[in-house]
Amino acid sequence: GNSVTQMEGPVTLSEEAFLTINCTYTATGYPSLFWYVQYPGEGLQLLLKATKADDKGSNKGFEATYRKETTSFHLEKGSVQVSDSAVYFCALSDRETSGSRLTFGEGTQLTVNP
Amino acid sequence: DAGVIQSPRHEVTEMGQEVTLRCKPISGHDYLFWYRQTMMRGLELLIYFNNNVPIDDSGMPEDRFSAKMPNASFSTLKIQPSEPRDSAVYFCASSLGTVRYGNEQFFGPGTRLTVL
Repeated sequence: GNSVTQMEGPVTLSEEAFLTINCTYTATGYPSLFWYVQYPGEGLQLLLKATKADDKGSNKGFEATYRKETTSFHLEKGSVQVSDSAVYFCALSDRETSGSRLTFGEGTQLTVNP
Repeated sequence: DAGVIQSPRHEVTEMGQEVTLRCKPISGHDYLFWYRQTMMRGLELLIYFNNNVPIDDSGMPEDRFSAKMPNASFSTLKIQPSEPRDSAVYFCASSLGTVRYGNEQFFGPGTRLTVL
């Protein structure tokens, strides 16, 4: 079946540090890949996405590249801010088998200190 | 648009009581999802609907849980009877079209349920 594995958290960084959150996946088809972010007390919201191999999703300074050869979709940001503190979820949707559902990773808590 | 609307935002109840959570999806969206989030189990999909029809309810934990979508603008998740282990944040989400091809799911703010 489909699965998503994220790097273990929590992650604590200083402001302006470089961020990488690793995400790898297993899927039987050709998935679309997503990063969602959850700020404290809120629901999840889409951060970025990529729908085919080698696509790069980007938003608010965050980037992730769909790497089919390594089945990865790592999230990066060059300079984090305190306001980026949140939980980040990697997710996939498999066109072949999972219908219209998303498979989420376990989430990675990011704390950015000033 | 107001986004996905959930009510109540917080619910505290006693074990054995019936709990009803409500969701209004974004107008025009044809998919609606119910999730549960806990520290122990993370984010779990309970059930989802397409055009008001339940498509996959394999995530519903047991018969105490039921969900309905009587029309395109309203859905309920009911727990009867409630138990302390049902304490969690319940999210409703909606999407226009299937997420297979990259369509976004929009999440509501959640209902924090505490069962004493």
